Amino acid sequence: NAGVTQTPKFQVLKTGQSMTLQCAQDMNHEYMSWYRQDPGMGLRLIHYSVGAGITDQGEVPNGYNVSRSTTEDFPLRLLSAAPSQTSVYFCASSATGPLNYGYTFGSGTRLTVV
Amino acid sequence: TQLLKQSPQFLSIQEGENLTVYCNSSSVFSSLQWYRQEPGEGPVLLVTVVTGGEVKKLKRLTFQFGDARKDSSLHITAAQTGDTGLYLCAGAHFGNEKLTFGTGTRLTIIP
Repeated sequence: NAGVTQTPKFQVLKTGQSMTLQCAQDMNHEYMSWYRQDPGMGLRLIHYSVGAGITDQGEVPNGYNVSRSTTEDFPLRLLSAAPSQTSVYFCASSATGPLNYGYTFGSGTRLTVV
Repeated sequence: TQLLKQSPQFLSIQEGENLTVYCNSSSVFSSLQWYRQEPGEGPVLLVTVVTGGEVKKLKRLTFQFGDARKDSSLHITAAQTGDTGLYLCAGAHFGNEKLTFGTGTRLTIIP
């Protein structure tokens, strides 16, 4: 099915470990973003990209890296996991920008850092 | 800094009742969107409003964008159990592609 695919769905990390959350979309969307969702906080923007080779920081970028080498993929890297990064992570994409047509979201990755 | 505040945070009502949830900000937005999220899934876009004072209807759901473009409301008529979920508003400022989400309203419809 077309859409945004996130892997893995669940992950447990030890403090200090690194990992990459994968995100792929097959809709040829230019805009992609990563959000984290914590109880009572809504969704907070981590990083976003307006096209291949272009990325920018969102509201809470510290501790995360991104790259956009292709239109389809937008991986999120945790450099040295901390318990404060325990959260649900969502990747989203949009054809021409979220302002008019909104985002299509993946089903999320639930990350626990112990 | 949370620019979009939603109220109430939790709402539990009986099936068949009407309800309104609110999304408020001190900032002016170029557009505002409403999403619904179910457990274990990502948010799904319901509507986008772009003009101050705009009203959009989606079956039993009515969305309004404030005249000053700082607030929005979602009204549900004759709520059904299928309306249960987390409702999120999201806004963008003029000239900025970043979408900022509100804190969410968790709605439970009791059969």
